[in-house]
Amino acid sequence: EAAVTQSPRNKVAVTGGKVTLSCNQTNNHNNMYWYRQDTGHGLRLIHYSYGAGSTEKGDIPDGYKASRPSQENFSLILELATPSQTSVYFCASGDNANSDYTFGSGTRLLVI
Amino acid sequence: GEQVEQLPSILRVQEGSSASINCTYENSASNYFPWYKQEPGENPKLIIDIRSNMERKQTQGLIVLLDKKAKRFSLHITDTQPGDSAMYFCAASPSSSGSWQLIFGSGTQLTVMP
Repeated sequence: EAAVTQSPRNKVAVTGGKVTLSCNQTNNHNNMYWYRQDTGHGLRLIHYSYGAGSTEKGDIPDGYKASRPSQENFSLILELATPSQTSVYFCASGDNANSDYTFGSGTRLLVI
Repeated sequence: GEQVEQLPSILRVQEGSSASINCTYENSASNYFPWYKQEPGENPKLIIDIRSNMERKQTQGLIVLLDKKAKRFSLHITDTQPGDSAMYFCAASPSSSGSWQLIFGSGTQLTVMP
């Protein structure tokens, strides 16, 4: 079954450390997205990609980098993690046509 | 950036009554409007969507209405049950930048009281 898989599910990181969140999709979708979800803010777009080798800034890209080495994989990188980046992160994939996203199960990140 | 406004943020209803959530969008070129339900600890899941060539769509106790002139769309849950308690998100696409991405509302926390 086509799916979006995120890893890890939970992560505790120290302030100033590097964190990499991984996402793999088997939907063969061109577009992939990284969101963070915080109470009162809903889903906010961090970075997205139109295909392998492309990354685009979303609405809140500061402090984050993204990498799309292949159609299937899209990573979110926190080079210097800060406590304000404590959140739940969702990866999603979508087709080029106007259709819905498939979301991963989320990564709960705690930066201490 | 472009926004989708969603109201109310908190909604409590009695079991068996109906619940309504309203969203407005900015980009008149938006033509796809999905709704997602998110249970605690889970990811958002699509429950119903509507495209701009329709004004109303209904499925399994859910009704969505779209008013393109007012740039407004809404979700109506009829005969609510405790299992309908969840966070609900509306979304619209495309964005005004032309890129295909969903712009999400800030969510409505629905509680159905027995």
